[in-house]
Amino acid sequence: EPEVTQTPSHQVTQMGQEVILRCVPISNHLYFYWYRQILGQKVEFLVSFYNNEISEKSEIFDDQFSVERPDGSNFTLKIRSTKLEDSAMYFCASRASGTGVYSNQPQHFGDGTRLSIL
Amino acid sequence: RKEVEQDPGPFNVPEGATVAFNCTYSNSASQSFFWYRQDCRKEPKLLMSVYSSGNEDGRFTAQLNRASQYISLLIRDSKLSDSATYLCAVNRVVYTGNQFYFGTGTSLTVIP
Repeated sequence: EPEVTQTPSHQVTQMGQEVILRCVPISNHLYFYWYRQILGQKVEFLVSFYNNEISEKSEIFDDQFSVERPDGSNFTLKIRSTKLEDSAMYFCASRASGTGVYSNQPQHFGDGTRLSIL
Repeated sequence: RKEVEQDPGPFNVPEGATVAFNCTYSNSASQSFFWYRQDCRKEPKLLMSVYSSGNEDGRFTAQLNRASQYISLLIRDSKLSDSATYLCAVNRVVYTGNQFYFGTGTSLTVIP
């Protein structure tokens, strides 16, 4: 079964450094998402991406964050000047498009990147 | 008001029990509904979609009540392996595309 893959599985970075988290969505999916989950807390929406542009972003997704789809397969989340509070699990998800009876398409998640800021 | 609200629990039930979770959503234009399961330190995994007529998958039954704007998940004959956090998700079409909203999750522990 096709799946969303994320790399690296664990990233340790010094505060103030930039990190890039990578995701390969399921190949025929058109909608892409990033979420984060701080340990012990809920899954929080960061951003959604469709047709090569951001379609919605949360208040968490400020100027420190950016997303890109540099080629036909990768979807990246860049965090500039990382802070201690950026430590979390970051999940990428993708979703197929669909209309009519096929519009009920769920999101499929990658297994996440654990980001630790020191 | 939050888009999606869930009782965070925790729910602690004995093995074999029946347990039900509810999830309310605030926007009547919401179109698609899902239940996800998340194990500790793992990604959310789709458990089942929720259809208007209700649907069942083995021991799991999902219901949608559009009039009251809630979805439910019923787990019969609970197993130890059902222990997890259950997230509801709601999707609706906005002018920029489809937007998903997740609940905070309900924690379930099945006790031997």
